[in-house]
Order: sequence, then structure tokens, then C-alpha cells
Amino acid sequence: SAVISQKPSRDICQRGTSLTIQCQVDSQVTMMFWYRQQPGQSLTLIATANQGSEATYESGFVIDKFPISRPNLTFSTLTVSNMSPEDSSIYLCSVGEGASYTFGSGTRLTVV
Amino acid sequence: GQSLEQPSEVTAVEGAIVQINCTYQTSGFYGLSWHQQHDGGAPTFLSYNALDGLEETGRFSSFLSRSDSYGYLLLQELQMKDSASYFCAAPSYNQGGKLIFGQGTELSVKP
Repeated sequence: SAVISQKPSRDICQRGTSLTIQCQVDSQVTMMFWYRQQPGQSLTLIATANQGSEATYESGFVIDKFPISRPNLTFSTLTVSNMSPEDSSIYLCSVGEGASYTFGSGTRLTVV
Repeated sequence: GQSLEQPSEVTAVEGAIVQINCTYQTSGFYGLSWHQQHDGGAPTFLSYNALDGLEETGRFSSFLSRSDSYGYLLLQELQMKDSASYFCAAPSYNQGGKLIFGQGTELSVKP
């Protein structure tokens, strides 16, 4: 299965600033997924990162707030823009390969 | 749309067997996956059932019944390290696709 390197692992940010999270996969994958996990909650899909085209966002998530890049088949970034305390969450990237799924180690974001 | 329901918490003792259920409602169904997440960690993929029946991987087994829109994760010979949250999830359009997650079941294993 794929191995994903995600960074940073955690950060504390000031409100109004932006943070970019990176995920590097050790193999080429067609789709990468970005999830948010708010404290004590389940995972919610933010968007699907597509190589060569714009990301596909889920209801409630918009590109201006969560811009995503996917320059090639092994790398993607998620930016959390103009942060507020409500953005404090764990952010996870993931890939699916047939019947198997792999997650990055997560980025624990605290906005103060 | 899709929704998956699972109990919020389950408690069991070390050495016992525990079953975590998941019922789902989906407009299209391609399979059911299970994921383990320890506190402070990232989810770890456990299993995927595309077809009805039981899939066994060591102490963990997963079952699916499409006719009942129901699945479960069975953990045998429970160990303290099995204390974690367990999520069922379903791909929204095909295997390997984006996942819709249940709310998670927190398993506490007591000595």
C-alpha cells in the first residue's frame, strides 16, 4: 500500500493567517482526498484533489477558504486561509487504491 | 446521499469478543470499510467488504450483508491496545473513491 508523508504534524497559528499542509505519496495515485476531523468528531471530506484540474469540493467547503494544489500524481497541498478558531481541527490527506485506503499522519491545527 | 450509523461507545474486557455494528443508507453502495484511530493518531485502514460475508484478518473480522444494509467489525481476544475509535465508511461511487464516514465507535477495553 501507499505511504504518505504529511507535514507539518502540528501548528499553532494566529487568526487571520493561512497555513499550507503538504502530502507526498510514494507512488502515483489518481485521486487524493482531504479530510477534516474536528475535536471529538468523525472525518468529513473537504475535497478531492485531481491532477490537472481543479479540486472538487464538498458541500460547505469552498475554494477561497481551502485552496488545493495538485501539481503531479504524487503531491498535493491544502491551504487553510484566513483562519479562525473554528478551523482548529486535524486535517488529513488520504488515497484510495482499489479496496485499500491510506491516510497521512495528520496535521493538528490550533488557531488562537 | 449516504449515512452510516454506529454506536457511539462500547466497553468490553480484555480477552473478550466485541462486535461493532454499522448500518447504512446509500443511494449507491460499493462496499464497507473499517478504520481504527487511536487517540491523537491518524486513522488506520483495517478492512474492506465489497461482497456479502465475513472477511478475517487475524483477530479482526468484518462482515457485510447488503440485503440488510448492515455490517460489523468483530474483534476477538481483546487487548488493552485495542482501545480506540473505530469508524465504518463507504466509498461514495467506487472502490478507492472518497469515503463517507460513520460517527465512530469508541471502544474501551478494561482489564
